[in-house]
Amino acid sequence: DAGITQSPRHKVTETGTPVTLRCHQTENHRYMYWYRQDPGHGLRLIHYSYGVKDTDKGEVSDGYSVSRSKTEDFLLTLESATSSQTSVYFCAISESQLYEQYFGPGTRLTVT
Amino acid sequence: AQSVAQPEDQVNVAEGNPLTVKCTYSVSGNPYLFWYVQYPNRGLQFLLKYITGDNLVKGSYGFEAEFNKSQTSFHLKKPSALVSDSALYFCAVRDGGNTGKLIFGQGTTLQVKP
Repeated sequence: DAGITQSPRHKVTETGTPVTLRCHQTENHRYMYWYRQDPGHGLRLIHYSYGVKDTDKGEVSDGYSVSRSKTEDFLLTLESATSSQTSVYFCAISESQLYEQYFGPGTRLTVT
Repeated sequence: AQSVAQPEDQVNVAEGNPLTVKCTYSVSGNPYLFWYVQYPNRGLQFLLKYITGDNLVKGSYGFEAEFNKSQTSFHLKKPSALVSDSALYFCAVRDGGNTGKLIFGQGTTLQVKP
């Protein structure tokens, strides 16, 4: 597996609480992505980063924010978690926008 | 807008038989196409990609994919299925621009029976 870790791997939280998910890579890749996976929807892009402090929105960014202060770390924050954000979250990295992406093991988030 | 479709939610094949998982795409410009596999409770694993060149692309674990421009398809194939190939398969297309964003299909569950 590519050097990608996600933490935590599982989390249960209550509606209205803030949650931060971490993606850490050891590959020194420039591009990092956050996706969510839901049945019937495949994977949908939340946010992505094309360098330190350079981020942009994906197709389902409402309710999420990201930060990238170091090449190796990409944080996804749910400002105030809602039940609709119950999902499996995957981080991915890529050396170039032309290359394949490599995925982390995922974080299963349940918002009660 | 770029899009990709996987018309089958599930494909069932017998072990030893050839398998095909279908994918069609819609893009403006040249397509960059990918196949990924996901085993239960795991992340996605890259199988193969088409950027340019030969229409038959070979990938990991004996999989290959055939790019067909006229039919806008990129079907995943394997000559002889294994029970261990049972998993969820995703087709993806690179979005336009310089971000490398991927647009994924809904996924196809492959079930290989002994």
